Amino acid sequence: ETGVTQTPRHLVMGMTNKKSLKCEQHLGHNAMYWYKQSAKKPLELMFVYNFKEQTENNSVPSRFSPECPNSSHLFLHLHTLQPEDSALYLCASSPDSSGANVLTFGAGSRLTVL
Amino acid sequence: RKEVEQDPGPFNVPEGATVAFNCTYSNSASQSFFWYRQDCRKEPKLLMSVYSSGNEDGRFTAQLNRASQYISLLIRDSKLSDSATYLCVAYAGNNRKLIWGLGTSLAVNP
Repeated sequence: ETGVTQTPRHLVMGMTNKKSLKCEQHLGHNAMYWYKQSAKKPLELMFVYNFKEQTENNSVPSRFSPECPNSSHLFLHLHTLQPEDSALYLCASSPDSSGANVLTFGAGSRLTVL
Repeated sequence: RKEVEQDPGPFNVPEGATVAFNCTYSNSASQSFFWYRQDCRKEPKLLMSVYSSGNEDGRFTAQLNRASQYISLLIRDSKLSDSATYLCVAYAGNNRKLIWGLGTSLAVNP
């Protein structure tokens, strides 16, 4: 285990469903991230939280809604998704969000939108 | 031109071989670099950080060429367990962003 835990590992949802992805880190880090990994594309940064404040929203559609109640927990709320949103969603953490830090990733949540 | 470019491969090599991957970057302000490895259907994990001219860790050597704007990863005495995708990442202080390459796929064969 890397110290970053994501649930669920797999999720299948219809376009009208509402679901949430959860991430928890036990590393004492202050920054948490959501990344999207799709086939044939590099990792895409979605959101960054530093000390539970959102510091970056990388032009993500509003059907993705992040929540960071504290430095150890991060959620990604999903609603009215599209089939092209099917991907591996990776949570990561780092000591802070200065950018040059090493990221520790969770195992990912593989999402399929039907 | 992609900001961080890698040959996707796959590179197929026999056990014990030496293999090298290159990664080119377009932002001349990039100052820190990372190699992550990602096993099939798993998360990326840090392999090596590169902050100056290079870094070495056992069978793995990373070399940075700032003049030509590329970073290489050399793997000596390849093991079956080295089979993975190797992701190159560049960090530039001017935009404070980590830019990821698509990755290079390596298959080490018995």
